[in-house]
Amino acid sequence: GESVGLHLPTLSVQEGDNSIINCAYSNSASDYFIWYKQESGKGPQFIIDIRSNMDKRQGQRVTVLLNKTVKHLSLQIAATQPGDSAVYFCAESMNRDDKIIFGKGTRLHILP
Amino acid sequence: EPEVTQTPSHQVTQMGQEVILRCVPISNHLYFYWYRQILGQKVEFLVSFYNNEISEKSEIFDDQFSVERPDGSNFTLKIRSTKLEDSAMYFCASSDGPGVVSPLHFGNGTRLTVT
Repeated sequence: GESVGLHLPTLSVQEGDNSIINCAYSNSASDYFIWYKQESGKGPQFIIDIRSNMDKRQGQRVTVLLNKTVKHLSLQIAATQPGDSAVYFCAESMNRDDKIIFGKGTRLHILP
Repeated sequence: EPEVTQTPSHQVTQMGQEVILRCVPISNHLYFYWYRQILGQKVEFLVSFYNNEISEKSEIFDDQFSVERPDGSNFTLKIRSTKLEDSAMYFCASSDGPGVVSPLHFGNGTRLTVT
């Protein structure tokens, strides 16, 4: 069925280090995967997406990796900054026109 | 940068009462959505809306829920008779394309508390 979940609810990272946030999904038919960032008191904000025919996509300071063999998605944030503190959600969609289904979030906590 | 705006930011209502949550999507967007987030949990899809009709709805979106675009700018979610379990953050989102064609832009949400 539709199920997108996360391994860890909280991740603490030293400022300046790289962060890796993981996500497991169960719907092998999903074609698109998206990462959202949700800051306190705000709605989710699009970060980056990746299609199932790719295994890596890079953005500004972020990289998304997709491993379809083990149904695993990760978000890497380079040189983590205090402004990266937020809850990060992975999400999936069956196809480009379909609704987006969110997984549970991971809270990223930046240590000074 | 254009934003999706939602009002009110917090709504408290008694069980059984009707509530209307309001959203002003980004002006040139054509696709509209409502999601909800129960405290500490994941963001759940409720409904998508395009061309003045519902495109898709989830199991959560039962007969107690309805959506409307009463004019060219507002998009509303109505809950006819609220239940305690309707307490959640409700997020409106809009985009200029369906699904993942264009990124969803979310509002900052309305916190609904049903007592």
